[in-house]
Amino acid sequence: GDSVTQMEGPVTLSEEAFLTINCTYTATGYPSLFWYVQYPGEGLQLLLKATKADDKGSNKGFEATYRKETTSFHLEKGSVQVSDSAVYFCALSGTSGSRLTFGEGTQLTVNP
Amino acid sequence: GAGVSQSPRYKVAKRGQDVALRCDPISGHVSLFWYQQALGQGPEFLTYFQNEAQLDKSGLPSDRFFAERPEGSVSTLKIQRTQQEDSAVYLCASSRTGERKTQYFGPGTRLLVL
Repeated sequence: GDSVTQMEGPVTLSEEAFLTINCTYTATGYPSLFWYVQYPGEGLQLLLKATKADDKGSNKGFEATYRKETTSFHLEKGSVQVSDSAVYFCALSGTSGSRLTFGEGTQLTVNP
Repeated sequence: GAGVSQSPRYKVAKRGQDVALRCDPISGHVSLFWYQQALGQGPEFLTYFQNEAQLDKSGLPSDRFFAERPEGSVSTLKIQRTQQEDSAVYLCASSRTGERKTQYFGPGTRLLVL
């Protein structure tokens, strides 16, 4: 079945550092790929998405590129801010159904 | 416009009690999903509706879990005879027709079973 693997956290960075959170997936066909962010006490917010190979999703300075050859969708940001502190989830929607399959999440803490 | 809303936001139940969790999707969204998120984990799929039809309930962990969406809008997730292992955050999400793979989430209901 479908699965998503995220790099283990937590990740702690200083403000303005470069961020990478790795995400790899297993799925048949061509799934859609997503990054969601969860701030403390809140629900999940869609951060960005990509629906086909080589697509780049971007939002709020975050980027991720759908790499079919490596089955990856790594999240990057060039300069993180304290306000980016949250839990980040990689997810996919497979071609066999509508459900989202999530990774376990990566806790990011950015210190001033 | 208004997002997905859920109520109650917090629920404490004694083991063995029945609980009902409500989800109001974004107006006009045809698809509705329920997920369960255990502490420190990613959400896991429970069930999916398209309008009033429950098309996939394969993620419901036991027959104590039941979901309905009788008029194709508001949905209720019911858990009968709650157990401690049911303690989790229950998330509801909705999506538009033709865009069903982009889901928008509510704030969740945090259930604690004592």
